[in-house]
Amino acid sequence: GAVVSQHPSWVICKSGTSVKIECRSLDFQATTMFWYRQFPKQSLMLMATSNEGSKATYEQGVEKDKFLINHASLTLSTLTVTSAHPEDSSFYICSAGGQGRLNSPLHFGNGTRLTVT
Amino acid sequence: AQKVTQAQTEISVVEKEDVTLDCVYETRDTTYYLFWYKQPPSGELVFLIRRNSFDEQNEISGRYSWNFQKSTSSFNFTITASQVVDSAVYFCALSGTTGANSKLTFGKGITLSVRP
Repeated sequence: GAVVSQHPSWVICKSGTSVKIECRSLDFQATTMFWYRQFPKQSLMLMATSNEGSKATYEQGVEKDKFLINHASLTLSTLTVTSAHPEDSSFYICSAGGQGRLNSPLHFGNGTRLTVT
Repeated sequence: AQKVTQAQTEISVVEKEDVTLDCVYETRDTTYYLFWYKQPPSGELVFLIRRNSFDEQNEISGRYSWNFQKSTSSFNFTITASQVVDSAVYFCALSGTTGANSKLTFGKGITLSVRP
């Protein structure tokens, strides 16, 4: 069964609104979670790394004030796309790793397809 | 910096043919992991294999096999007797082994189409 749950699986929102995406580890404590973005027919690009209880580390070119990441507990990380614009439309997918699982495959959520109209 | 190159972009085969997906990587780490993921049209990432840099043994899992050649920095994936259900995008990826270093660097992916 799934070990990482991501919600929602798809969302349509209007330009200027904010959207929150949740990523939960189901049967383990995820000390580190990663957020990726995938544009159509392209590869997955890491946006940021979030560590429980501390600030996220953003990749170069990713606006931290636009993509807010909160990793307040060992089982939940959220990505909020603030003031969304059509160019933010993409597939967002999270992965999680944790203590005791650092040597394990990174588990991925099923992704969230965001469409901004 | 880490880099994964999947030179093939699209491959089309007829069912029951064998197909090899190439992956070449670059890293300065002495220990690392290599992965293959399958992404069907529905979008989720399906984990196929993880290989530790210390383990160069080839692996076979059913119709799937992987050839890890550290000397050429390659980690190729072969599907034997391909099936229509194998049609998907396949990503090769590379990561470090601890903490935040375990973030994945993906190749651009190979779109495999298996025709009946």
